[in-house]
Amino acid sequence: QKEVEQNSGPLSVPEGAIASLNCTYSDRGSQSFFWYRQYSGKSPELIMSIYSNGDKEDGRFTAQLNKASQYVSLLIRDSQPSDSATYLCAVNEASGSARQLTFGSGTQLTVLP
Amino acid sequence: DAGITQSPRYKITETGRQVTLMCHQTWSHSYMFWYRQDLGHGLRLIYYSAAADITDKGEVPDGYVVSRSKTENFPLTLESATRSQTSVYFCASRPGLAGGTDTQYFGPGTRLTVL
Repeated sequence: QKEVEQNSGPLSVPEGAIASLNCTYSDRGSQSFFWYRQYSGKSPELIMSIYSNGDKEDGRFTAQLNKASQYVSLLIRDSQPSDSATYLCAVNEASGSARQLTFGSGTQLTVLP
Repeated sequence: DAGITQSPRYKITETGRQVTLMCHQTWSHSYMFWYRQDLGHGLRLIYYSAAADITDKGEVPDGYVVSRSKTENFPLTLESATRSQTSVYFCASRPGLAGGTDTQYFGPGTRLTVL
């Protein structure tokens, strides 16, 4: 069974700090990796996608992928109170035409003013 | 641009009743998905569809039925609702394999309570 594990949290960081969110996955053949942000009572929204080993930066967000270690992370620099949300890691299964996503259970982040 | 919508947004029903949750997308995406989200379980896939008239089971399909007669609609039916089906249900869609992305886009969700 494919598994995606996230640090359970909750995670609290002060405003302006770097928040680090981690995710490991079990399927070595996984190809696509996503970070979704979900505010309380809202639907998940895509923040970042990453497909190759290394870092991908988008504004204050950096996704890091290490396929050898089966590890993907999200760094949020200069954290703001508006970043307080649950962050979901999702992994695209390696096979099958539907290319379903498997989600982790999420890490709740609180940015303290 | 409406994107992806779900109805109703909130529903309270009783055990044993049939309930249908609607999902509609305006992007002409090939793939559509139904997830349920429960505390401690994250998002779990119920059913998905690769195109009109093509559906397949996900991780937790028992007690649910889907159909897809038109590309834009993907209703989810609980044939005889149980309390364990109390959850928040999300519909999602994504383009086909030639669409250049495998990102899924989510609807606003339906909060279902089964009494």
